[in-house]
Amino acid sequence: DVKVTQSSRYLVKRTGEKVFLECVQDMDHENMFWYRQDPGLGLRLIYFSYDVKMKEKGDIPEGYSVSREKKERFSLILESASTNQTSMYLCASSSLVGARQETQYFGPGTRLLVL
Amino acid sequence: AQSVTQPDIHITVSEGASLELRCNYSYGATPYLFWYVQSPGQGLQLLLKYFSGDTLVQGIKGFEAEFKRSQSSFNLRKPSVHWSDAAEYFCAVGAGYGQNFVFGPGTRLSVLP
Repeated sequence: DVKVTQSSRYLVKRTGEKVFLECVQDMDHENMFWYRQDPGLGLRLIYFSYDVKMKEKGDIPEGYSVSREKKERFSLILESASTNQTSMYLCASSSLVGARQETQYFGPGTRLLVL
Repeated sequence: AQSVTQPDIHITVSEGASLELRCNYSYGATPYLFWYVQSPGQGLQLLLKYFSGDTLVQGIKGFEAEFKRSQSSFNLRKPSVHWSDAAEYFCAVGAGYGQNFVFGPGTRLSVLP
């Protein structure tokens, strides 16, 4: 079974802190993704990566950065956390089969509260 | 660009009743279609997917979905709902290289005993 793990299930941080969310997948997937999920807004893509050291902005990258130094690990960084970044953060990974992006597999999510 | 709509924000059904959750997509070519389920406080779990071939696909937990190209729809069905099916359901459309999934807004399912 594909396993996507996230470093924390719950996190409480203060405004202005630097926050690291880590995601690890064990299926040698090329692609990794970070989403945030808010009530009424569904899933919104923050950043994604198709390869090591490669990153692309998603729909809402402002206030976030990412790092992918190893294939299995994709980190989301909040440089200076703000209260409007309180949310559920979901990591996902997928493989590429030819030109088709395969199923995305999700981690359990990190619920972040910024005070 | 792809887009996905799920017209029903919230649906309530009685346990044992049948269920249909609607999903409509917009995409110029043949899409890759997915249904995911999310229990409270959890990540998303894949229920089923359609890439090509038979337009009626079977998934886990007794769910099935039918791809109808003429209606740009991929509705999810279950003949008899169980209380444990109460969750949020997301339809998603994917495409080729360089194009990401687009998720619908989700439909929350409540099940009455």
